Amino acid sequence: DVKVTQSSRYLVKRTGEKVFLECVQDMDHENMFWYRQDPGLGLRLIYFSYDVKMKEKGDIPEGYSVSREKKERFSLILESASTNQTSMYLCASTSQGGGGYTFGSGTRLTVV
Amino acid sequence: GENVEQHPSTLSVQEGDSAVIKCTYSDSASNYFPWYKQELGKRPQLIIDIRSNVGEKKDQRIAVTLNKTAKHFSLHITETQPEDSAVYFCAPDDQAGTALIFGKGTTLSVSS
Repeated sequence: DVKVTQSSRYLVKRTGEKVFLECVQDMDHENMFWYRQDPGLGLRLIYFSYDVKMKEKGDIPEGYSVSREKKERFSLILESASTNQTSMYLCASTSQGGGGYTFGSGTRLTVV
Repeated sequence: GENVEQHPSTLSVQEGDSAVIKCTYSDSASNYFPWYKQELGKRPQLIIDIRSNVGEKKDQRIAVTLNKTAKHFSLHITETQPEDSAVYFCAPDDQAGTALIFGKGTTLSVSS
């Protein structure tokens, strides 16, 4: 069974901390994505990547950065966590030909 | 960029009734039209998709219809069951190398 695995299901961090959210896929997918999900706002795109070391900004990249050093791993970094970054974070991947996304289980991040 | 709207935002039906969710989009270059289902506490999962060369696609109790001229596509669920209760997202795409932009979601509640 193909998988997208997010390293943490729940995370609590303090304001100002540097936070790493990890995502690993075992499908040899070229494309990987980070979304955040908030009630009433749906899924909003933060960053995505089409290849190793490549990254593109999504709709809400402010306060975030990403790293893709290996094809299977796409990390989301909160440089200095703030309370308005409390959210559910979802990672997804898809093959270069496009089509359906496979999502991870999500990381619910609380910043206090 | 793509402007995606879903209607209604919430939908309550009795078990056995039909449910229809509509997605309108702005980008006439969109040629791929997926629907995702997210059950409470779970990841979004692709349930059905259609490409622009097809007007309708069915898979058991679910179907998607496309009206490219009017720039909308709809998810149809017949003989609804309590396990259909979930949030449904549309994400029209031009598959030109950008990430999916999701609608804000429709919460479907099926009562028995």
